[in-house]
Amino acid sequence: DVKVTQSSRYLVKRTGEKVFLECVQDMDHENMFWYRQDPGLGLRLIYFSYDVKMKEKGDIPEGYSVSREKKERFSLILESASTNQTSMYLCASSLTSVGLAGGPRELFFGEGSRLTVL
Amino acid sequence: AQKVTQAQTEISVVEKEDVTLDCVYETRDTTYYLFWYKQPPSGELVFLIRRNSFDEQNEISGRYSWNFQKSTSSFNFTITASQVVDSAVYFCALSGPYGGATNKLIFGTGTLLAVQP
Repeated sequence: DVKVTQSSRYLVKRTGEKVFLECVQDMDHENMFWYRQDPGLGLRLIYFSYDVKMKEKGDIPEGYSVSREKKERFSLILESASTNQTSMYLCASSLTSVGLAGGPRELFFGEGSRLTVL
Repeated sequence: AQKVTQAQTEISVVEKEDVTLDCVYETRDTTYYLFWYKQPPSGELVFLIRRNSFDEQNEISGRYSWNFQKSTSSFNFTITASQVVDSAVYFCALSGPYGGATNKLIFGTGTLLAVQP
């Protein structure tokens, strides 16, 4: 069965701390994504990666960075956590479409990491 | 610009009722893709359907059905004879025509469906 695993379901951190959120997928997917989910705002894309060591900014990259050293692992880093980063963080992965106009493939999501910054 | 609107924030129904979740989208692309995802209380979004803009046939999968109407830019989702296990947040999403990770999904704000026993 396909699986996206996020290392922590719940985290509580203090303002200014460095926070690492880890995500591992076992499906050999090329693409990996980090989303943030907030009530009334839906899912917003923070960063994505289409290959090892490649990364692209999403819609809300400020205050975040990412790392993809291996194909299966995509890490989200909060360099200095702030209270407005309290949120649910969702990792996802997908295959790359066959052909230029094949449209995006479906995303497979992890269970999410709920981060509270005090 | 692309946009997805799910105007229903919360819906509550009693088991066995039929329920329709609305999704209205905006896009300038002539080719685009629409998706529905389910997020149960466990938190993991689950893919339900992917539909491209050239395929306007309605889709039925068990108790689930989807009504795609280009004329009204809508892609509505109906659950027939709802069950408690259908309780979840449902997201509609839109993307442009291109493959690859650079073609982002634009998500709606979601509809929380509560099915009461």
